[in-house]
Amino acid sequence: DGGITQSPKYLFRKEGQNVTLSCEQNLNHDAMYWYRQDPGQGLRLIYYSQIVNDFQKGDIAEGYSVSREKKESFPLTVTSAQKNPTAFYLCASSLSGTTDNEQFFGPGTRLTVL
Amino acid sequence: RKEVEQDPGPFNVPEGATVAFNCTYSNSASQSFFWYRQDCRKEPKLLMSVYSSGNEDGRFTAQLNRASQYISLLIRDSKLSDSATYLCVVNIYGGGSQGNLIFGKGTKLSVKP
Repeated sequence: DGGITQSPKYLFRKEGQNVTLSCEQNLNHDAMYWYRQDPGQGLRLIYYSQIVNDFQKGDIAEGYSVSREKKESFPLTVTSAQKNPTAFYLCASSLSGTTDNEQFFGPGTRLTVL
Repeated sequence: RKEVEQDPGPFNVPEGATVAFNCTYSNSASQSFFWYRQDCRKEPKLLMSVYSSGNEDGRFTAQLNRASQYISLLIRDSKLSDSATYLCVVNIYGGGSQGNLIFGKGTKLSVKP
């Protein structure tokens, strides 16, 4: 089946550690995105990539890094510089980076910093 | 200033009721509009796009008023399965970077038997 997968579903991290969240899609989509959702808040864009080997910062990129070496993969690293990393992280993809393309979301990763 | 505002609810309605959600956006340059549905602890899924002429999909009707910068979603004959959080989503610049989607905080709907 085509879709977006994220792993792990739940992740626990100690303060000061970097952690990488996986996002894979087999929809042949060009564009991919990372969002963060906090309780009672809207989704906020961290990074996005419209094409392989290219990505741009979103609204809250500080403390995060990404790579886009393959079309189907867009991993997100949460670094120790991120002051409040506990959140629900959602990866999405769309056919291309144009306005009217629907974004499809993965099931998300819940990150908790202990 | 990027902002999309929604009544957080919760809206508690009986089965069969008609319920309406409103959303306002502050940037007049907004070009595209969407309603997403998010179930508890799940990912958002596109419910419908919102067109200038208004559009309907079964029991769901979306309206856009550009002059008032206002979007609405009407659900008729509510079902228990409609219980979810409804996210209003606006693309600020349009025609190019998809990275400008702005999500509202969502309106929670609870349909009771």
